[in-house]
Amino acid sequence: RKEVEQDPGPFNVPEGATVAFNCTYSNSASQSFFWYRQDCRKEPKLLMSVYSSGNEDGRFTAQLNRASQYISLLIRDSKLSDSATYLCVVGGSNYKLTFGKGTLLTVNP
Amino acid sequence: NAGVTQTPKFQVLKTGQSMTLQCAQDMNHEYMSWYRQDPGMGLRLIHYSVGAGITDQGEVPNGYNVSRSTTEDFPLRLLSAAPSQTSVYFCATLAGFGYNEQFFGPGTRLTVL
Repeated sequence: RKEVEQDPGPFNVPEGATVAFNCTYSNSASQSFFWYRQDCRKEPKLLMSVYSSGNEDGRFTAQLNRASQYISLLIRDSKLSDSATYLCVVGGSNYKLTFGKGTLLTVNP
Repeated sequence: NAGVTQTPKFQVLKTGQSMTLQCAQDMNHEYMSWYRQDPGMGLRLIHYSVGAGITDQGEVPNGYNVSRSTTEDFPLRLLSAAPSQTSVYFCATLAGFGYNEQFFGPGTRLTVL
């Protein structure tokens, strides 16, 4: 099983749609969880951290299920500017982050 | 503040050549790391450093060397470039343990012929 596995995508959705990304991780000792966003030919940037209680930032909602080792990201009311690759990222106890391969989202007008 | 800077932005090498990718940060972050990103492979950790004078190997360290003589700089050396090292290289920093956000540099696109 790969350390961090994401939906392969790509996702093509119309503006205003709700889209969900899923991610699973294999190391039960993982301590921190994130979603990063990467625009085409740019560096990754932190979108949001993911907490056990779930957290929301505007149109974005992240969920973590430690028992199932599952992370999700929900984007509501998609905008054209949401088009990017979304990276699921898991951290251990030693600073190191493990990245999923990413899921490409294209929001169409 | 410049944040994390990387030079060069683009580089073409011939097989067997050596070069150093530069990474510098002005945020006084303890932790620095190098990743490579290849299509279909995601970001993979090459080497990392938790402070000046301390480095360790990541997932794919072969063919690369690093050193951390100062907090600010973390150069990545390719000893003898191979076509398999064609990739986009990102340097990243983290303030310290317990902090969440890694800050990435803009990347270096390397082609080895």
